[in-house]
Amino acid sequence: GESVGLHLPTLSVQEGDNSIINCAYSNSASDYFIWYKQESGKGPQFIIDIRSNMDKRQGQRVTVLLNKTVKHLSLQIAATQPGDSAVYFCAENPYSGGGADGLTFGKGTHLIIQP
Amino acid sequence: DTAVSQTPKYLVTQMGNDKSIKCEQNLGHDTMYWYKQDSKKFLKIMFSYNNKELIINETVPNRFSPKSPDKAHLNLHINSLELGDSAVYFCASSQDLRGLGGYTFGSGTRLTVV
Repeated sequence: GESVGLHLPTLSVQEGDNSIINCAYSNSASDYFIWYKQESGKGPQFIIDIRSNMDKRQGQRVTVLLNKTVKHLSLQIAATQPGDSAVYFCAENPYSGGGADGLTFGKGTHLIIQP
Repeated sequence: DTAVSQTPKYLVTQMGNDKSIKCEQNLGHDTMYWYKQDSKKFLKIMFSYNNKELIINETVPNRFSPKSPDKAHLNLHINSLELGDSAVYFCASSQDLRGLGGYTFGSGTRLTVV
């Protein structure tokens, strides 16, 4: 079936720099997207979401951008901190009226913060 | 208070055994899920229940049987465990089937079959 994928499996950035994690999705029916953060030994944790009627949404130090034309999502993290080190997943919900298909996750990007 | 709690956190068992993983959510959510995360961190949905009714049943061996006694609980029973069942299993919940607001995940159960 269609899937959500990530461009880079590992991203290493200096502490204090900004990070950008990218994601490509292929299901044009998806209208809801979420970024999750997973720290070692823990479950995925919700960071930020965006619906397809928006192209940008900001949270605390994070911004999600959605480009429906090229089916691309990105997560920007400002002024990265050691605590940002984790695996980041994008997920799409191909919900279509009559029933939910459940969140489909991308492969994950491991963000490493260098001191 | 833990929102989605699953037990046990670690489970080591021999091939052929039967085991269960329990999950409870105290968020008042209608929908619960089981996901499997493999060694490459890939997360794949296995089942979802909405108000105790099975909604999603992905291509999962019938050795895996979910049970939802009420909408706050979704347990996973696995019969005749195989080496390939080794993975981390995550329970999650969402407000409803639509999933707006995202899913809340438990901390996972690491299953090792030896």
